[in-house]
Amino acid sequence: DSGVTQTPKHLITATGQRVTLRCSPRSGDLSVYWYQQSLDQGLQFLIQYYNGEERAKGNILERFSAQQFPDLHSELNLSSLELGDSALYFCASSVQAGALRETQYFGPGTRLLVL
Amino acid sequence: AQTVTQSQPEMSVQEAETVTLSCTYDTSENNYYLFWYKQPPSRQMILVIRQEAYKQQNATENRFSVNFQKAAKSFSLKISDSQLGDTAMYFCAFMKGGTGNQFYFGTGTSLTVIP
Repeated sequence: DSGVTQTPKHLITATGQRVTLRCSPRSGDLSVYWYQQSLDQGLQFLIQYYNGEERAKGNILERFSAQQFPDLHSELNLSSLELGDSALYFCASSVQAGALRETQYFGPGTRLLVL
Repeated sequence: AQTVTQSQPEMSVQEAETVTLSCTYDTSENNYYLFWYKQPPSRQMILVIRQEAYKQQNATENRFSVNFQKAAKSFSLKISDSQLGDTAMYFCAFMKGGTGNQFYFGTGTSLTVIP
């Protein structure tokens, strides 16, 4: 158990809908990362938040957005869902307090299926 | 841009034997970190081992060790005394030093340990 929690574990929805994925980082971690793992594209970095502020952006679609709240949990919002958005979405966290704290610890993931 | 290459999509090893998974990367950075993550059938991402680029000594974690060749930009993972529980997808990952940086993942190597 990495200490990172994600809810829900599974999510089934229809095209055009909107969903929210939730992530709670490990205690003491300030940084949260979101990744998408699909069958054909491997692990893709989406976005990173550090202490409530967006720090880095990767291959995140405009239909997707995220935020990190004062209690440091994060939500990833996916809207106007398409079949191709079906994937496993991982959240990871790290301390971000110096060179030795850069390791990212991954949550169990949320499996999204768009029908 | 950073790239990570895992040239072995699939590998197998007999139980109790040793296997080496390859990873090469391309970067112009001097300060960075390298990681191996394991993803078993449960799809959880589990940190196996990490290596700081400024350290010459190869990292070791129990049965897992790395061969880090900085000049060749090579970072292979050796698994000794392979166990059935080692069956998983293994991802090599690269991260630049400093705060606020994403991981760059390889495409993964699927390892099967044969009884």
